[in-house]
Amino acid sequence: DAGVIQSPRHEVTEMGQEVTLRCKPISGHNSLFWYRQTMMRGLELLIYFNNNVPIDDSGMPEDRFSAKMPNASFSTLKIQPSEPRDSAVYFCASSFNGGDTGELFFGEGSRLTVL
Amino acid sequence: TQLLEQSPQFLSIQEGENLTVYCNSSSVFSSLQWYRQEPGEGPVLLVTVVTGGEVKKLKRLTFQFGDARKDSSLHITAAQPGDTGLYLCAALNDYKLSFGAGTTVTVRA
Repeated sequence: DAGVIQSPRHEVTEMGQEVTLRCKPISGHNSLFWYRQTMMRGLELLIYFNNNVPIDDSGMPEDRFSAKMPNASFSTLKIQPSEPRDSAVYFCASSFNGGDTGELFFGEGSRLTVL
Repeated sequence: TQLLEQSPQFLSIQEGENLTVYCNSSSVFSSLQWYRQEPGEGPVLLVTVVTGGEVKKLKRLTFQFGDARKDSSLHITAAQPGDTGLYLCAALNDYKLSFGAGTTVTVRA
């Protein structure tokens, strides 16, 4: 079975440009998480969806960040405008029944570099 | 401040040696998980511990959950180069899985 699929794997862009990261969760999973990983701050939860509905976006850094989940098989994380401090690896993860069962299945990540 | 404190931050050992990684918190958790992350990949779940005092073994890896369910340890016996990676502990805080900063383990051949 396919795991969580993220695209692009690598993105290099210039400050001020719009960035869109994409995620396809595992079929049948009803919870989706976006995390950001940096050396300084480790893995930080940005936003959590349950049954396509955003439940908690308190981790989203600022208004430049937005996330959508139009259906159960697709989510996007958008940064507009991007800044150099947004450079990080962004992970999408999915699970069945949110945190209750605990196990998250992560994608391979999207490495973003903002120049 | 991190909900979960991991130590040490970095660990470099020779193949065949043993190592222990710690995960501590002032909070009590219903369960705690350990993940391993290899370069260029996402974290992968190794184990979930649920009961205070619980010990789980996964081949050469031994995981222990503290009696008070505030801390956990991961012990690797006779480490191999394939054990190299970032080891992360994680715990549920409400419905959110919060991660420690991780321990980077390097096993030299």
